[in-house]
Amino acid sequence: RKEVEQDPGPFNVPEGATVAFNCTYSNSASQSFFWYRQDCRKEPKLLMSVYSSGNEDGRFTAQLNRASQYISLLIRDSKLSDSATYLCVPDTGRRALTFGSGTRLQVQP
Amino acid sequence: EPEVTQTPSHQVTQMGQEVILRCVPISNHLYFYWYRQILGQKVEFLVSFYNNEISEKSEIFDDQFSVERPDGSNFTLKIRSTKLEDSAMYFCASSRSGELFFGEGSRLTVL
Repeated sequence: RKEVEQDPGPFNVPEGATVAFNCTYSNSASQSFFWYRQDCRKEPKLLMSVYSSGNEDGRFTAQLNRASQYISLLIRDSKLSDSATYLCVPDTGRRALTFGSGTRLQVQP
Repeated sequence: EPEVTQTPSHQVTQMGQEVILRCVPISNHLYFYWYRQILGQKVEFLVSFYNNEISEKSEIFDDQFSVERPDGSNFTLKIRSTKLEDSAMYFCASSRSGELFFGEGSRLTVL
C-alpha cells in the first residue's frame, strides 16, 4: 500500500479561487507531515511543516485529521505563481522522506 | 538564507563513462541525501548519509553508485559506468531535523 494517496489532478482553477487538496496516509505512526511544492523541472521546496493538528502561513492552511488519516492543504486567493505540483510527505521516523506523485495545480488567468 | 548548492547544473556524458555530481549541503546540517527524478516521474530516494557513512539506501543505489564526503563541506555522488537509464535530474538534500532542503539539481544526460 502506498504511503500517501493524492489526487493527481490537474486542478484547474481561476486566479483568486480557493482550492483544497487532500492527502490520505497509511502509516498511523506518522507524527508530522510536510507539504512541498515542485515546479516543473525544479527541486521540491518546503511549503509547510505540520506537527500538530494544523498550520497556517498566509494564504496556505494545512489541517491534519489523525482519526481519518488525512491531511489537507487549502490555498486561498490563488495566484498564477501557485501553479505547481503539491506533494504531501509524511515523516515516518526514517530520516529519508518518500515522495509520491503529488497533485498538480494550474491557476489560470 | 542558507541553501544547498549543486554542481554541475547539467552534464552530458557518454554511456559507460564515470560521472561525479557535487553538492555543498547547508553548513549546520548533519544528514545528507541524494534523490533522482526521471523526467515525468516522481522524486526517488537513492541514499542517505550521516556521520560519514551511509545510513540508508534504496534498491536503485546499486554497486554502480557511491557517495563520499571528501572534506568538511562537499558531498558527492559517483556513478561508475553510466547507463542510458541513469539520465535524470539528481537532487542533493540536507536536513538537521525532519525537513529536507533540496539543491537545484544536476541534470544528467547519458548518450
